[in-house]
Amino acid sequence: DAGITQSPRHKVTETGTPVTLRCHQTENHRYMYWYRQDPGHGLRLIHYSYGVKDTDKGEVSDGYSVSRSKTEDFLLTLESATSSQTSVYFCAISESGYNEQFFGPGTRLTVL
Amino acid sequence: SQQGEEDPQALSIQEGENATMNCSYKTSINNLQWYRQNSGRGLVHLILIRSNEREKHSGRLRVTLDTSKKSSSLLITASRAADTASYFCATDGLRSGNQFYFGTGTSLTVIP
Repeated sequence: DAGITQSPRHKVTETGTPVTLRCHQTENHRYMYWYRQDPGHGLRLIHYSYGVKDTDKGEVSDGYSVSRSKTEDFLLTLESATSSQTSVYFCAISESGYNEQFFGPGTRLTVL
Repeated sequence: SQQGEEDPQALSIQEGENATMNCSYKTSINNLQWYRQNSGRGLVHLILIRSNEREKHSGRLRVTLDTSKKSSSLLITASRAADTASYFCATDGLRSGNQFYFGTGTSLTVIP
C-alpha cells in the first residue's frame, strides 16, 4: 500500500474519551490527508497537511484536530469521541496537492 | 458542496461485458481522478485526467471528461470478476486548494 500504515486498525471506545489515530508513511510525500468514510457519504476530508506543522481544515473538521511534527507521521485526534464519529478513517498521501493519492488500509473506529 | 456524484449507484454485469459509470460535479476543476475500492480495503488510484484533456486510456480503462457538462465517465472493457469493487470519482477545485471531493461511488458487481 505505497508505504503507508495506519494504527490502530480497529478500535472500540466510549463516548467522551479522547482517541488518537496514527498515519505513518515511508514515501517522504509532502501531503497527508485524513478522511472518514460513511455509508451514503463517500469519503469526506477531515484535515490535511501540506508540510511539517502546516495543516488545514477539510469539510468535516469539527470535533477533530491533527498534528504533524515529522514528515512521516500525521496524527488525528478526536478530542472527546461521540457516537457520530463511528466510522472508517483513511489516511492518504500525495507528492503534490494535485496528483494521485495513495491510501492506507483504514482504521475502523466504533464509539459506544 | 462540490462533491461529485456517481451514476449508477450500483451496477451488475456478466463477465466479459463492458461497464460504464458516470460522474457529475458542480464547479470548475483542475483535474478529475478515478479510484477503486475493494471491500474492506483502502482506495487505489486508477487514472487522472486533467481539465484540458478529453479522453485517457489505461489498459482496459477509458476515461472521458466533458468540462462543458461537468461530467466524466469511466469505461471498463471486457470486465472480469476481479473488477468487482466500488468506484469513486474525485475532483479538486480551482478555488479549493489541495482538497479533493469524492463522490459516493458506484458499486460494480461482475458475475462470473
